[in-house]
Amino acid sequence: DIVLTQSPGTLSLSPGDRATLSCRASQSLSRMYLAWYQQRPGQAPRVVIYGASSRATGIPDRFSGSGSGTDFTLTISRLEPEDFAVYYCQYYGSSPLFIFGPGTKVESK
Amino acid sequence: QITLRESGPALVKPTQTLTLTCSFSGFSLTTSGEGVGWVRQPPGQALEWLALTFWDGDKRYSPALKSRLTIMRDTSRGQVVLTMTNVDPTDTGTYFCVRSLGASVGFHFNFYGLDVWGPGTTVTVSS
Repeated sequence: DIVLTQSPGTLSLSPGDRATLSCRASQSLSRMYLAWYQQRPGQAPRVVIYGASSRATGIPDRFSGSGSGTDFTLTISRLEPEDFAVYYCQYYGSSPLFIFGPGTKVESK
Repeated sequence: QITLRESGPALVKPTQTLTLTCSFSGFSLTTSGEGVGWVRQPPGQALEWLALTFWDGDKRYSPALKSRLTIMRDTSRGQVVLTMTNVDPTDTGTYFCVRSLGASVGFHFNFYGLDVWGPGTTVTVSS
């Protein structure tokens, strides 16, 4: 089975900082099926990036995704207060159909 | 507007069967590429995918929970129902209904993510 590992577990930053989140897979993935989700406290997750680098509807352009193979990155260019949340990477595979990483918490320093 | 909403018991006893209903609107679950499923989240933990039913009736389950899960859809009523048998306290958590969106483009299948989520319903398994 594919395993997704996210690092760091927690990222302590200030508003205006740049955030770089990593998602590493145990085997090479198709970037077409790699997505990122944001989950604010007490809320349901929402998709931020799909296809490794495409922004979902309504997502501001300070969010960007990149990567291929086993290494993928979510970058937030300048953190806004509403960006402090937990971020999950997720892969659409075969079995299991959906795999989530353990998450990275972006917290305010 | 596309919405999903979960409903079900807040408390179930160990060994009982949990039945959750997702009521959806704004789409039909009959369009190629659409799916509706379930994701759960134990308190303070990560997301875990459970099951999904596709527009064509195909059903997929988490291998780890397959023996305990059944997903059914009623597109005429706009509902997807998940049953989980023999629950125990480790099944405690928030259960989210999700829409999966994709599209066939030529020979490829594009995945647009789990693009709509319900607000979630909290389930506690305790005697």
